[in-house]
Amino acid sequence: GNSVTQMEGPVTLSEEAFLTINCTYTATGYPSLFWYVQYPGEGLQLLLKATKADDKGSNKGFEATYRKETTSFHLEKGSVQVSDSAVYFCALTAGINFGNEKLTFGTGTRLTIIP
Amino acid sequence: KAGVTQTPRYLIKTRGQQVTLSCSPISGHRSVSWYQQTPGQGLQFLFEYFSETQRNKGNFPGRFSGRQFSNSRSEMNVSTLELGDSALYLCASSHGTPPTETQYFGPGTRLLVL
Repeated sequence: GNSVTQMEGPVTLSEEAFLTINCTYTATGYPSLFWYVQYPGEGLQLLLKATKADDKGSNKGFEATYRKETTSFHLEKGSVQVSDSAVYFCALTAGINFGNEKLTFGTGTRLTIIP
Repeated sequence: KAGVTQTPRYLIKTRGQQVTLSCSPISGHRSVSWYQQTPGQGLQFLFEYFSETQRNKGNFPGRFSGRQFSNSRSEMNVSTLELGDSALYLCASSHGTPPTETQYFGPGTRLLVL
């Protein structure tokens, strides 16, 4: 079946540091890949996505590139801020086949940014 | 455009009771999915409804059920509550047809079973 393996947390960084959160996946077919972020006490917010190989998703300074050859979708940001402190989830859907709306999530990585 | 809304936001129930949670999707979205989030199991898919039909189902016991109405609003029901059902229940909506399958989440309903 489909699965997502995410970098274990928690991750603590100083403000303006470079961030990488690793994510690898196992899937049949051609999955779409997502990063969601969850702030304390809230639901999930879509951060970025990529729907095919070599696509780069980007939003709010975060980037991730869909690497089919390494089955990876690592999240990066060049300079983190305190407001980026949250839990980050890597996820996939089985593809664009009708009826495959299920999201499979990684375990989440808690990120804390220190001023 | 208004986002996904869930009611109630918080619930406290006792073992053996039943509970109904409600989700209103983004206008125009026809697919509603439900997820359970717990510290131990993480985010797990419960089921998905599209145009009033259950299209996809996760690996949960029959005590967990749902339905979708003609206006795409969805309800989830848990009967005979157990302590382990304490969780954040998240609803997500999407257009439900390829390729725009991105799911948008509501704030969740936090259920505590005593």
